[in-house]
Amino acid sequence: EDQVTQSPEALRLQEGESSSLNCSYTVSGLRGLFWYRQDPGKGPEFLFTLYSAGEEKEKERLKATLTKKESFLHITAPKPEDSATYLCAVQAMRGSARQLTFGSGTQLTVLP
Amino acid sequence: NAGVTQTPKFRILKIGQSMTLQCTQDMNHNYMYWYRQDPGMGLKLIYYSVGAGITDKGEVPNGYNVSRSTTEDFPLRLELAAPSQTSVYFCASRGQRNEQYFGPGTRLTVT
Repeated sequence: EDQVTQSPEALRLQEGESSSLNCSYTVSGLRGLFWYRQDPGKGPEFLFTLYSAGEEKEKERLKATLTKKESFLHITAPKPEDSATYLCAVQAMRGSARQLTFGSGTQLTVLP
Repeated sequence: NAGVTQTPKFRILKIGQSMTLQCTQDMNHNYMYWYRQDPGMGLKLIYYSVGAGITDKGEVPNGYNVSRSTTEDFPLRLELAAPSQTSVYFCASRGQRNEQYFGPGTRLTVT
């Protein structure tokens, strides 16, 4: 069974204080690892897809990295508008549905 | 493009009532999904569809039904609502690079 564990559950940062969110996963054959941002009362918004160990993707203050067992979402010099819940999900090679298995998320709060 | 739209945004049901959650996408995606999200939990897959006329069960299908008569629409039906179905429901469609695009959600309370 595919599993995704995210840590920490919640993280409070001061504006400008860089940090990282962790996503540990077990899956029998990784097709892709996905990062989403979810604002309160809204649906998840797609950020990145990572396909193989060593791959990195960047978008503004966010950088996602991938190893064979975990992924990190690095946040550099965060701003209050980066406050959100960040979700990690994996997609296995098997199956035609290409469904995602989600972690429970990290709730990030950036204080001004 | 509107992307994925869902109606209603909020609904309160009494135990035993039924309702349909609507989902429409305008991106011509074949794959569509229904998830539920409970507080502090990850999204759980209820049903999915790989194209018009084809649907299949996900991880937590009990108490729900779906249909897919067109590429655009993927309604979720709740029969005999129970308190355990209190949740936020998200519909999603899948893009060409396997990324999923989510609707804004329906917040359902069963009392």
